[in-house]
Amino acid sequence: AQTVTQSQPEMSVQEAETVTLSCTYDTSENNYYLFWYKQPPSRQMILVIRQEAYKQQNATENRFSVNFQKAAKSFSLKISDSQLGDTAMYFCAFIPYNQGGKLIFGQGTELSVKP
Amino acid sequence: DTGVSQNPRHKITKRGQNVTFRCDPISEHNRLYWYRQTLGQGPEFLTYFQNEAQLEKSRLLSDRFSAERPKGSFSTLEIQRTEQGDSAMYLCASSLAGGTHYGYTFGSGTRLTVV
Repeated sequence: AQTVTQSQPEMSVQEAETVTLSCTYDTSENNYYLFWYKQPPSRQMILVIRQEAYKQQNATENRFSVNFQKAAKSFSLKISDSQLGDTAMYFCAFIPYNQGGKLIFGQGTELSVKP
Repeated sequence: DTGVSQNPRHKITKRGQNVTFRCDPISEHNRLYWYRQTLGQGPEFLTYFQNEAQLEKSRLLSDRFSAERPKGSFSTLEIQRTEQGDSAMYLCASSLAGGTHYGYTFGSGTRLTVV
C-alpha cells in the first residue's frame, strides 16, 4: 500500500523564525511527484511546492523549500521567515506517475505562527 | 475563470435524507476528483473522472454514494440515506490529464453535517 505519514500533528513557530515540517512516504514506484499543500482555516487548499522524484535538486519557492531524500523516502518542508499568514494545516501528498493522478495525502500538520 | 466552484458551502441534513453537491471545475480541466476530509485528517480519495468517464472509485464510496459528470463539465456527488458518519468536508478538485504532476486545483469544499 502507498502511504504518506506526517508525524507532527501540531507545531508552532515564532514569527520570523524557521520551521521544518516532516513527511515520509512509502511506495514501490520509482517515478512519482510530491507536493505540499496549505489549507488555511475555512479556506481552500492551495499548492505550496512540488518536487519531481527524478530530480535530485530540492525545490524552492520563495520562503518555502523542501529537503527531498529519495532513498529515505522523506520529503520535509522548510518555511523560512515565518509569517502570521502561514498559519494553516499543511498536507504532504504524493502522486505515483502511472496511477491516474490520484493524490495520496498525509494526515496533516497544524502550524501556528505566533506573533 | 474563477477556479473550482463548489455548492453549497454548507449543508445540514437529517439522517436518512438524500443530499447532492455540485462541483464546477476549471473549464479547460478534463479531470475532476472528489475527496472526503474529516476533521483533523487529510483528504481521502473517493472517485475521479476524465471527461465524462468515471475512471476510478474508492472502496470508501459505498453504494449510497454516486457521482456523475454529464458532458464532462460539472459534476454532482449524491449521498442517499445519509448517516452521521457521512458528516465531513467534501472536496472537489480538477486538473489536466497530462498535468497531474502540477497538482490539483481545489474548490473550497462542501461541509456536510448529518444530524
